[in-house]
Amino acid sequence: GAVVSQHPSRVICKSGTSVKIECRSLDFQATTMFWYRQFPKKSLMLMATSNEGSKATYEQGVEKDKFLINHASLTLSTLTVTSAHPEDSSFYICSATRGLQETQYFGPGTRLLVL
Amino acid sequence: AQSVAQPEDQVNVAEGNPLTVKCTYSVSGNPYLFWYVQYPNRGLQFLLKYITGDNLVKGSYGFEAEFNKSQTSFHLKKPSALVSDSALYFCAVRGRGYNFNKFYFGSGTKLNVKP
Repeated sequence: GAVVSQHPSRVICKSGTSVKIECRSLDFQATTMFWYRQFPKKSLMLMATSNEGSKATYEQGVEKDKFLINHASLTLSTLTVTSAHPEDSSFYICSATRGLQETQYFGPGTRLLVL
Repeated sequence: AQSVAQPEDQVNVAEGNPLTVKCTYSVSGNPYLFWYVQYPNRGLQFLLKYITGDNLVKGSYGFEAEFNKSQTSFHLKKPSALVSDSALYFCAVRGRGYNFNKFYFGSGTKLNVKP
């Protein structure tokens, strides 16, 4: 149990376009979902915390208008990178948790390349 | 503030030898501690956690970790390393109070197991 999927696994887009990444908890209802960004050989940078039905909480330095997060249901959260630039190229990972005492369960990640 | 530190960027060990990946934490009160493993271009996989109880925690793939309150450490160990254990390992601590839902990750340690 506790499987999290992400789609797409890899995306290449042109500069200026928008890209949507989906994160789904497949076999549980996620009370909270998280979005991370990971640079090469670096740790995870938490971008935002998302609760179903409410606005996401963004970490300091993360532009909420550029990284739009929607948490429409207890099993789905989406991250939209708007007007993507080459510097947005990165590995984006989502995670979900199903309770306060639980660990986070991570998706497989999405590799974004902006040309 | 809560944080974890992984003092080693890389650990090299020969197959069959014991391995240790170090982690120290800083958190007020009792910590919730986690270890995750990441294979190339993949999301993080949960290995084990310490919430309360026995200081020696056993996890997936033969890994274990020892919680040491006096040294504020939570080192990951395995008695006999496998080449397939080569990956990136992250220690994490759960936040406290208002930040209870957040995980704070270490910088990661690359484990290289040589045949």
